[in-house]
Amino acid sequence: QVQLQESGPGLVKPSETLSLTCAVSGYSISSGYYWGWIRQPPGKGLEWIGSIYHSGSTYYNPSLKSRVTISVDTSKNQFSLKLSSVTAADTAVYYCARGTFGGVIHRTWGQGTLVTVSS
Amino acid sequence: NFMLTQPHSVSESPGKTVTISCTRSSGSIASNYVQWYQQRPGSSPTTVIYEDNQRPSGVPDRFSGSIDSSSNSASLTISGLKTEDEADYYCQSYDSSNHWVFGGGTKLTVL
Repeated sequence: QVQLQESGPGLVKPSETLSLTCAVSGYSISSGYYWGWIRQPPGKGLEWIGSIYHSGSTYYNPSLKSRVTISVDTSKNQFSLKLSSVTAADTAVYYCARGTFGGVIHRTWGQGTLVTVSS
Repeated sequence: NFMLTQPHSVSESPGKTVTISCTRSSGSIASNYVQWYQQRPGSSPTTVIYEDNQRPSGVPDRFSGSIDSSSNSASLTISGLKTEDEADYYCQSYDSSNHWVFGGGTKLTVL
């Protein structure tokens, strides 16, 4: 079965760039599907950040588009998120997930990683 | 783009039936599939309904989904409520540009 695991710094300074990686096991990213990032601020709801298709096409939340880059490294079977110019409002649990064009596929969410933006 | 609006919270007693609504602000609810996710405290979300009314394997048939074009909304219905159903529930759909849109979430209390 496919498993996803997020990794990256748990603390990022304001104005810097948040960088996270999602390692995928049990399935080759290059074989198909969309690979997405979703975040959840403490005590709040889910927010879609963006997705990348296995071919490399990217789709970003319009409200974050100017600050977001999602990329794939097929050699390592992982995909990454970069969010620039972060502020405290970007503090959240960040999830990676596998999906279709329509949403996340059952049981293919990562466990999530908390990223705090603070000096 | 459109928004999906859910009630902030709902509560019901064990054994009863509860329905959570998800109203689309613009465009037809029937245009794009709706998914429903359950999230228990401290856990990642998990799908309970996909493509409007389909249940993934392992999800009890107490969970059902539907859409209503007249109210431009989707609904998640949970029958025979159990205490283990207490969680946050999120609806989600997408637009023509493959952008995913989440509802604000509904906290279900089973008391």
